Amino acid sequence: RKEVEQDPGPFNVPEGATVAFNCTYSNSASQSFFWYRQDCRKEPKLLMSVYSSGNEDGRFTAQLNRASQYISLLIRDSKLSDSATYLCVVNLGNDMRFGAGTRLTVKP
Amino acid sequence: DVKVTQSSRYLVKRTGEKVFLECVQDMDHENMFWYRQDPGLGLRLIYFSYDVKMKEKGDIPEGYSVSREKKERFSLILESASTNQTSMYLCASSYNLGGGRTDTQYFGPGTRLTVL
Repeated sequence: RKEVEQDPGPFNVPEGATVAFNCTYSNSASQSFFWYRQDCRKEPKLLMSVYSSGNEDGRFTAQLNRASQYISLLIRDSKLSDSATYLCVVNLGNDMRFGAGTRLTVKP
Repeated sequence: DVKVTQSSRYLVKRTGEKVFLECVQDMDHENMFWYRQDPGLGLRLIYFSYDVKMKEKGDIPEGYSVSREKKERFSLILESASTNQTSMYLCASSYNLGGGRTDTQYFGPGTRLTVL
């Protein structure tokens, strides 16, 4: 079993749609959690951290469920510029484990 | 603003050549990392370093070595490049928060290496 698993997609949605990604992780000792965004042929960049209480940043909402060991990302009112690959990241001590990413394409 | 730079964006080498990939960060981060990224496999950790002259193997260290002589610089070395090392190589750095925890990682732009 992979340490961090994501549905690879692709998710193809129209502008304005709401889309949700889930991610599961295998190590219950994981300490912190992140969503990164990676544009085509670019490096990953931090989108947001994920806190136990859930957190929101504009149109983006992240949730963590430690009991079930999954993390989610919700994007409301999708924009064309949201098209990218979204990486789920789990911190295990001094290194991080990355999911393979979920590809999102937002269409006009 | 954190800046992580890598020596080359694109590199083409021949099988058997020795390859050096350099990474420099300007934020005085303790931790530095080398990953490779391949379609469908995501980022896989090759080596990381907590401090100068320290290094730890990641998940796929075979065929690679690293060097960290200065805090800001972390080099990845392919002693004898092979075609299965054709990949995107990403360097990252982060603060060490102590207690075995690391802060979020900042990535360089990547080096796309092709081994012929």
